[in-house]
Amino acid sequence: DIQMTQSPPSLSASVGDRVTITCRASQSISSYLNWYQQRPGKAPKLLIYAASNLHGGVPSRFSGSGSGTEFTLTISSLHPEDFATYYCQQSYSSPLTFGGGTKVEIK
Amino acid sequence: EVQLVESGGGLVKPGGSLRLSCAASGFTFSNYRMNWVRQAPGKGLEWVSSISSTSSYISNADSVKGRFTISRDNAKSSLYLQMNSLRAEDTAVYYCARLISGSLTYFDYWGQGTLVSVSS
Repeated sequence: DIQMTQSPPSLSASVGDRVTITCRASQSISSYLNWYQQRPGKAPKLLIYAASNLHGGVPSRFSGSGSGTEFTLTISSLHPEDFATYYCQQSYSSPLTFGGGTKVEIK
Repeated sequence: EVQLVESGGGLVKPGGSLRLSCAASGFTFSNYRMNWVRQAPGKGLEWVSSISSTSSYISNADSVKGRFTISRDNAKSSLYLQMNSLRAEDTAVYYCARLISGSLTYFDYWGQGTLVSVSS
């Protein structure tokens, strides 16, 4: 199975800050990497698919980049509703696996 | 509007069984591969099981093989998960998720989840 490792596990930031989350795969997954946002008590929501493609309705302050084994999710300017946990997920091979999550908290 | 609504969760004793359901609406259910993904309390996401649009292809995580069975009824736009021989480590919120599959693969819609608690 492909292992996905996110860093940091958590971070504190302020509204308006630029935030970057990293996801590393245990082997090359090309661009088969997706990002999800999960607010407390809610279901995950798709943000970005195939490493850099914004899902419909997702604000443009979210962006993704990377290929191979290293990927990043960037929020250019944090909004109050962005405080949540973010997960990466590889779709290169079965079983589909997720990273452990990065919790973005209010500083 | 795409909607996925899970039901059937609850408290069950170790070794017991439970059947989860997911009612889909707002899209042509029979065109999509469907999945169950779970999240233990305070933990991350774990893919559990997947079924193709015509039920011809099914796959399961090693952690549930031989105990969980995924199925679907396209006429009723419904997805199911039969869970047998339940263990404490199966305690989690279970989400139904639609999978876009092909050259690009991702979970584009999720239900609100149903909680399964396994405890004596």
